[in-house]
Amino acid sequence: DGGITQSPKYLFRKEGQNVTLSCEQNLNHDAMYWYRQDPGQGLRLIYYSQIVNDFQKGDIAEGYSVSREKKESFPLTVTSAQKNPTAFYLCASSQDLIGDTDTQYFGPGTRLTVL
Amino acid sequence: GQQVMQIPQYQHVQEGEDFTTYCNSSTTLSNIQWYKQRPGGHPVFLIQLVKSGEVKKQKRLTFQFGEAKKNSSLHITATQTTDVGTYFCAGLAGGKLIFGQGTELSVKP
Repeated sequence: DGGITQSPKYLFRKEGQNVTLSCEQNLNHDAMYWYRQDPGQGLRLIYYSQIVNDFQKGDIAEGYSVSREKKESFPLTVTSAQKNPTAFYLCASSQDLIGDTDTQYFGPGTRLTVL
Repeated sequence: GQQVMQIPQYQHVQEGEDFTTYCNSSTTLSNIQWYKQRPGGHPVFLIQLVKSGEVKKQKRLTFQFGEAKKNSSLHITATQTTDVGTYFCAGLAGGKLIFGQGTELSVKP
C-alpha cells in the first residue's frame, strides 16, 4: 500500500520535554511538509523540505526542528521552546515542491497534548 | 502577508439543503485546491482549479475559480449526512500554498 504514515496517533508529554513526531512516505515524493492545526483554524506551515538534507522554515517554525536524512522520512521535533505545543500535527508530501499541478497527500495526523 | 479568507466558519444545514463556502485571496493565485477533512480525520484532496473562470463538477459538488483568480467557491447541491466535515480551500501564490480557515459543515438528518 502506498501512502504516508504518522505515528503515534495520540501523544502525551510533560511540559518542558522535547518530543519527536514521525512521518514516513513510500510514495517516492520529493517534497514533504509539516503543518499544525488548531481548533477552528486552517493549516499553518511549520517546515518543508524539497530534497534530502535540505529544509526550509514555514510560517511558524519557532520552537520546532526537523531533519531530512532520507527521502522517505521527515521527523518533526517539538522542543520545550514551543510555547503552546498542544495541537494536531499533520505531515504531507507532494511529488515536487508545490507547483502548478501538484497536490498534497496528508498523513493521518498526530494529536499532541502537553500536560 | 498573503492571506486566503474563507467564509463562513460554520454552516449547519438540513439534509437536502444546498451549501456554499467561499474563499477570497488578497493576491492573484496560480491555482486553488480544495480539501475535505472528516471529523477526526485528515485533509483529503478534492480538486484543483487552474484557469480563470474555471468550473468543475464532481457529482453534487461544483467548484468555481473567479475570473480574476482571486476567489473561489464550492457548492454542494442537496447535502447528505456523508458531506459532514470541514472544507478547506488552499491557494497557490508565490510558490506557497496558503490554506483558508475552513468551513465546518454539519448536516441534520
